[in-house]
Amino acid sequence: AQSVTQLGSHVSVSEGALVLLRCNYSSSVPPYLFWYVQYPNQGLQLLLKYTSAATLVKGINGFEAEFKKSETSFHLTKPSAHMSDAAEYFCAVDYNQGGKLIFGQGTELSVKP
Amino acid sequence: EAGVAQSPRYKIIEKRQSVAFWCNPISGHATLYWYQQILGQGPKLLIQFQNNGVVDDSQLPKDRFSAERLKGVDSTLKIQPAKLEDSAVYLCASSRPNNEQFFGPGTRLTVL
Repeated sequence: AQSVTQLGSHVSVSEGALVLLRCNYSSSVPPYLFWYVQYPNQGLQLLLKYTSAATLVKGINGFEAEFKKSETSFHLTKPSAHMSDAAEYFCAVDYNQGGKLIFGQGTELSVKP
Repeated sequence: EAGVAQSPRYKIIEKRQSVAFWCNPISGHATLYWYQQILGQGPKLLIQFQNNGVVDDSQLPKDRFSAERLKGVDSTLKIQPAKLEDSAVYLCASSRPNNEQFFGPGTRLTVL
């Protein structure tokens, strides 16, 4: 079955440290890939997306992600964490490129001062 | 540009009662989605509309859930009768065809 796996339901980093949130998908055919952020009591906001163009994708708020076909991964990174980055992050995959998103279970990011 | 609007923001009902949620998408967005997000999980697509037609409702529990988008603009999602396991946040999203989805703030449903 098509699925999305996010390793680590909780990640904690210190302010200024590297942020790395992991996402793996389950398909031999490269799908469309997305990262969303969700702040408490709010909807989801798109951080970045991969739709078969450049494998290194830059998004908002200093985040970027690299598509690696050989590893079926799309990990999210940010060089230096800020307190305002504390939120829930979701990786999502559109396997059929028709708009149906399958979401991972989410990773809660905590940023320590 | 106004975002996706949803109402109510919160709803508390008892099991076996009925409830309805409303969504108004971004103007000009032909595609509308309803997602269910259970606490601690990622959103799960319930139904996808293209204008007023259903594209995908494979994960909609049709014995109790229904949704409509009669005029191809706003949409209503109904649960009748509600069960305890329906407690979740119901998210509406809209997009231009095959484009980025924009999400509303969601409706948090608690079934007692």
